[in-house]
Amino acid sequence: NAGVTQTPKFRVLKTGQSMTLLCAQDMNHEYMYWYRQDPGMGLRLIHYSVGEGTTAKGEVPDGYNVSRLKKQNFLLGLESAAPSQTSVYFCASSYSRDRVNTGELFFGEGSRLTVL
Amino acid sequence: AQKITQTQPGMFVQEKEAVTLDCTYDTSDQSYGLFWYKQPSSGEMIFLIYQGSYDEQNATEGRYSLNFQKARKSANLVISASQLGDSAMYFCAMRGNTGRRALTFGSGTRLQVQP
Repeated sequence: NAGVTQTPKFRVLKTGQSMTLLCAQDMNHEYMYWYRQDPGMGLRLIHYSVGEGTTAKGEVPDGYNVSRLKKQNFLLGLESAAPSQTSVYFCASSYSRDRVNTGELFFGEGSRLTVL
Repeated sequence: AQKITQTQPGMFVQEKEAVTLDCTYDTSDQSYGLFWYKQPSSGEMIFLIYQGSYDEQNATEGRYSLNFQKARKSANLVISASQLGDSAMYFCAMRGNTGRRALTFGSGTRLQVQP
Protein backbone atom coordinates (compact mmCIF):
# COMPACT_ATOMS: atom_id res chain seq x y z
CA ASN A 1 0.00 0.00 0.00
CA ALA A 2 2.37 2.70 -1.26
CA GLY A 3 0.15 5.81 -1.15
CA VAL A 4 2.23 8.78 -2.31
CA THR A 5 5.83 8.10 -3.30
CA GLN A 6 8.46 10.75 -3.98
CA THR A 7 11.82 10.27 -5.67
CA PRO A 8 14.54 11.10 -4.95
CA LYS A 9 14.49 11.46 -1.17
CA PHE A 10 17.69 13.53 -1.10
CA ARG A 11 19.57 15.52 -3.70
CA VAL A 12 22.43 18.01 -3.75
CA LEU A 13 22.69 20.35 -6.72
CA LYS A 14 25.02 23.08 -7.78
CA THR A 15 23.63 26.48 -8.68
CA GLY A 16 22.37 26.45 -12.25
CA GLN A 17 21.82 22.69 -12.51
CA SER A 18 18.45 21.26 -13.35
CA MET A 19 16.52 18.38 -11.85
CA THR A 20 13.10 16.77 -11.66
CA LEU A 21 11.27 15.47 -8.62
CA LEU A 22 8.82 12.68 -9.31
CA CYS A 23 5.63 12.10 -7.36
CA ALA A 24 3.53 8.99 -7.87
CA GLN A 25 0.24 8.10 -6.18
CA ASP A 26 -1.69 4.86 -6.39
CA MET A 27 -4.99 6.05 -4.88
CA ASN A 28 -6.57 7.25 -8.13
CA HIS A 29 -6.70 10.80 -6.77
CA GLU A 30 -7.65 13.59 -9.13
CA TYR A 31 -5.85 16.39 -7.32
CA MET A 32 -2.10 16.60 -6.76
CA TYR A 33 0.08 19.29 -5.17
CA TRP A 34 3.66 20.32 -4.65
CA TYR A 35 4.59 22.17 -1.46
CA ARG A 36 7.88 23.39 -0.08
CA GLN A 37 8.68 23.53 3.62
CA ASP A 38 11.13 26.02 5.03
CA PRO A 39 11.95 26.59 8.71
CA GLY A 40 9.44 28.84 10.45
CA MET A 41 7.22 29.13 7.38
CA GLY A 42 5.11 26.03 7.31
CA LEU A 43 4.25 24.53 3.93
CA ARG A 44 3.72 26.75 0.92
CA LEU A 45 1.98 25.70 -2.27
CA ILE A 46 4.16 25.76 -5.39
CA HIS A 47 1.93 24.26 -8.09
CA TYR A 48 -1.08 22.00 -8.22
CA SER A 49 -3.10 19.92 -10.64
CA VAL A 50 -6.81 19.19 -10.66
CA GLY A 51 -6.54 16.39 -13.19
CA GLU A 52 -4.47 14.74 -15.89
CA GLY A 53 -3.10 17.28 -18.32
CA THR A 54 -3.84 20.29 -16.11
CA THR A 55 -1.54 22.36 -13.92
CA ALA A 56 -1.85 25.69 -12.12
CA LYS A 57 0.30 28.02 -10.05
CA GLY A 58 0.21 28.18 -6.30
CA GLU A 59 1.63 30.84 -4.00
CA VAL A 60 5.34 30.40 -4.78
CA PRO A 61 5.66 29.12 -8.37
CA ASP A 62 8.67 31.12 -9.57
CA GLY A 63 11.62 28.97 -10.64
CA TYR A 64 9.56 25.79 -10.90
CA ASN A 65 7.66 23.98 -13.63
CA VAL A 66 5.33 21.01 -13.39
CA SER A 67 3.71 18.42 -15.61
CA ARG A 68 0.85 15.94 -15.15
CA LEU A 69 0.98 13.72 -18.21
CA LYS A 70 -0.46 10.74 -16.35
CA LYS A 71 -3.08 10.84 -13.63
CA GLN A 72 -0.86 9.04 -11.14
CA ASN A 73 2.27 11.15 -11.66
CA PHE A 74 3.07 14.79 -10.92
CA LEU A 75 6.55 16.06 -11.81
CA LEU A 76 8.24 19.12 -10.35
CA GLY A 77 11.13 20.58 -12.32
CA LEU A 78 13.83 23.07 -11.48
CA GLU A 79 15.37 24.37 -14.70
CA SER A 80 18.19 26.40 -13.11
CA ALA A 81 18.51 25.71 -9.41
CA ALA A 82 19.26 28.55 -6.99
CA PRO A 83 20.33 28.41 -3.32
CA SER A 84 16.93 29.92 -2.40
CA GLN A 85 15.37 26.66 -3.59
CA THR A 86 17.08 24.70 -0.84
CA SER A 87 14.11 23.22 0.95
CA VAL A 88 12.11 20.11 1.73
CA TYR A 89 9.57 19.39 -0.98
CA PHE A 90 6.35 17.56 -0.32
CA CYS A 91 3.99 16.08 -2.83
CA ALA A 92 0.39 15.48 -1.82
CA SER A 93 -2.80 14.20 -3.38
CA SER A 94 -6.50 14.27 -2.60
CA TYR A 95 -9.89 13.23 -3.88
CA SER A 96 -11.69 15.66 -6.13
CA ARG A 97 -14.61 16.03 -3.75
CA ASP A 98 -15.45 15.21 -0.20
CA ARG A 99 -15.97 11.59 0.63
CA VAL A 100 -17.25 10.37 3.93
CA ASN A 101 -14.92 12.54 5.87
CA THR A 102 -12.68 15.37 5.00
CA GLY A 103 -10.85 15.44 1.70
CA GLU A 104 -7.59 15.65 3.57
CA LEU A 105 -4.31 15.68 1.70
CA PHE A 106 -2.21 12.54 1.62
CA PHE A 107 1.48 13.39 1.71
CA GLY A 108 4.62 11.76 0.45
CA GLU A 109 7.61 11.44 2.73
CA GLY A 110 9.33 14.53 1.41
CA SER A 111 12.41 15.23 -0.69
CA ARG A 112 15.29 17.21 0.79
CA LEU A 113 17.00 19.36 -1.82
CA THR A 114 20.18 21.33 -1.18
CA VAL A 115 21.46 23.82 -3.75
CA LEU A 116 25.08 24.88 -3.27
CA ALA B 1 -7.22 34.86 0.64
CA GLN B 2 -6.83 32.60 3.62
CA LYS B 3 -4.43 32.90 6.49
CA ILE B 4 -3.54 30.61 9.37
CA THR B 5 -1.77 31.93 12.45
CA GLN B 6 -0.04 29.77 15.03
CA THR B 7 1.44 32.03 17.68
CA GLN B 8 3.27 29.38 19.72
CA PRO B 9 6.58 28.45 18.10
CA GLY B 10 7.28 25.97 20.90
CA MET B 11 5.43 24.35 23.76
CA PHE B 12 6.41 22.07 26.63
CA VAL B 13 4.09 19.69 28.42
CA GLN B 14 4.56 17.05 31.06
CA GLU B 15 3.77 13.48 30.16
CA LYS B 16 0.14 12.56 30.94
CA GLU B 17 -0.92 16.23 31.02
CA ALA B 18 -3.25 17.86 28.50
CA VAL B 19 -2.00 20.57 26.15
CA THR B 20 -3.70 23.07 23.85
CA LEU B 21 -2.09 24.25 20.63
CA ASP B 22 -3.51 27.53 19.35
CA CYS B 23 -4.67 28.24 15.82
CA THR B 24 -6.54 31.22 14.44
CA TYR B 25 -7.65 31.63 10.87
CA ASP B 26 -8.90 34.27 8.53
CA THR B 27 -11.11 33.70 5.52
CA SER B 28 -14.00 35.31 3.72
CA ASP B 29 -15.41 31.93 2.67
CA GLN B 30 -18.61 30.74 4.32
CA SER B 31 -17.73 27.10 3.82
CA TYR B 32 -14.29 25.87 4.80
CA GLY B 33 -12.46 23.06 6.53
CA LEU B 34 -9.83 23.09 9.25
CA PHE B 35 -7.16 20.45 9.66
CA TRP B 36 -4.37 19.52 12.01
CA TYR B 37 -1.31 17.59 10.90
CA LYS B 38 1.55 16.16 12.96
CA GLN B 39 5.11 16.07 11.68
CA PRO B 40 7.46 13.94 13.80
CA SER B 41 11.21 14.24 13.53
CA SER B 42 11.18 11.62 10.77
CA GLY B 43 9.51 14.23 8.57
CA GLU B 44 6.27 12.70 7.33
CA MET B 45 2.98 14.60 7.54
CA ILE B 46 0.33 12.75 9.52
CA PHE B 47 -3.31 13.84 9.35
CA LEU B 48 -4.86 14.10 12.82
CA ILE B 49 -8.27 15.72 12.77
CA TYR B 50 -10.72 17.72 10.69
CA GLN B 51 -13.47 20.24 11.44
CA GLY B 52 -15.95 21.52 8.90
CA SER B 53 -17.20 25.06 9.22
CA TYR B 54 -20.80 23.87 9.43
CA ASP B 55 -20.14 21.09 11.92
CA GLU B 56 -22.04 21.86 15.09
CA GLN B 57 -19.97 19.65 17.33
CA ASN B 58 -16.25 19.82 17.97
CA ALA B 59 -14.33 17.06 16.22
CA THR B 60 -12.66 14.35 18.26
CA GLU B 61 -10.27 11.57 17.28
CA GLY B 62 -9.02 9.50 20.17
CA ARG B 63 -6.85 11.74 22.36
CA TYR B 64 -7.19 14.64 19.91
CA SER B 65 -10.01 17.13 19.96
CA LEU B 66 -10.51 20.34 18.09
CA ASN B 67 -11.88 23.28 20.04
CA PHE B 68 -13.71 25.14 17.27
CA GLN B 69 -14.91 28.66 18.06
CA LYS B 70 -16.31 30.03 14.84
CA ALA B 71 -17.04 33.55 16.05
CA ARG B 72 -13.47 33.90 17.26
CA LYS B 73 -12.09 32.15 14.16
CA SER B 74 -10.08 29.77 16.26
CA ALA B 75 -9.47 26.04 15.89
CA ASN B 76 -7.28 24.95 18.76
CA LEU B 77 -5.99 21.39 19.03
CA VAL B 78 -6.27 19.74 22.41
CA ILE B 79 -4.16 16.67 23.14
CA SER B 80 -5.19 14.83 26.27
CA ALA B 81 -2.91 12.60 28.31
CA SER B 82 0.26 13.55 26.44
CA GLN B 83 2.71 10.81 25.55
CA LEU B 84 6.41 11.02 24.72
CA GLY B 85 5.53 10.05 21.15
CA ASP B 86 3.48 13.23 20.82
CA SER B 87 6.69 15.26 20.60
CA ALA B 88 6.57 16.71 17.09
CA MET B 89 5.72 19.74 14.98
CA TYR B 90 2.00 20.41 14.66
CA PHE B 91 0.51 22.31 11.77
CA CYS B 92 -2.90 23.88 11.54
CA ALA B 93 -4.29 24.22 8.02
CA MET B 94 -7.43 25.28 6.25
CA ARG B 95 -9.14 24.65 2.97
CA GLY B 96 -11.39 27.33 1.59
CA ASN B 97 -14.21 27.06 -0.84
CA THR B 98 -12.10 27.01 -3.98
CA GLY B 99 -11.89 24.42 -6.70
CA ARG B 100 -8.25 23.60 -6.13
CA ARG B 101 -8.86 22.15 -2.64
CA ALA B 102 -5.32 22.98 -1.55
CA LEU B 103 -4.55 23.58 2.12
CA THR B 104 -3.07 26.76 3.54
CA PHE B 105 -0.75 26.00 6.45
CA GLY B 106 0.33 27.86 9.54
CA SER B 107 3.96 28.10 10.60
CA GLY B 108 3.63 25.28 13.11
CA THR B 109 4.14 24.66 16.82
CA ARG B 110 6.89 22.41 18.12
CA LEU B 111 5.60 20.37 21.05
CA GLN B 112 7.99 18.68 23.43
CA VAL B 113 6.61 16.19 25.93
CA GLN B 114 8.75 15.84 29.03
CA PRO B 115 8.86 12.69 31.18
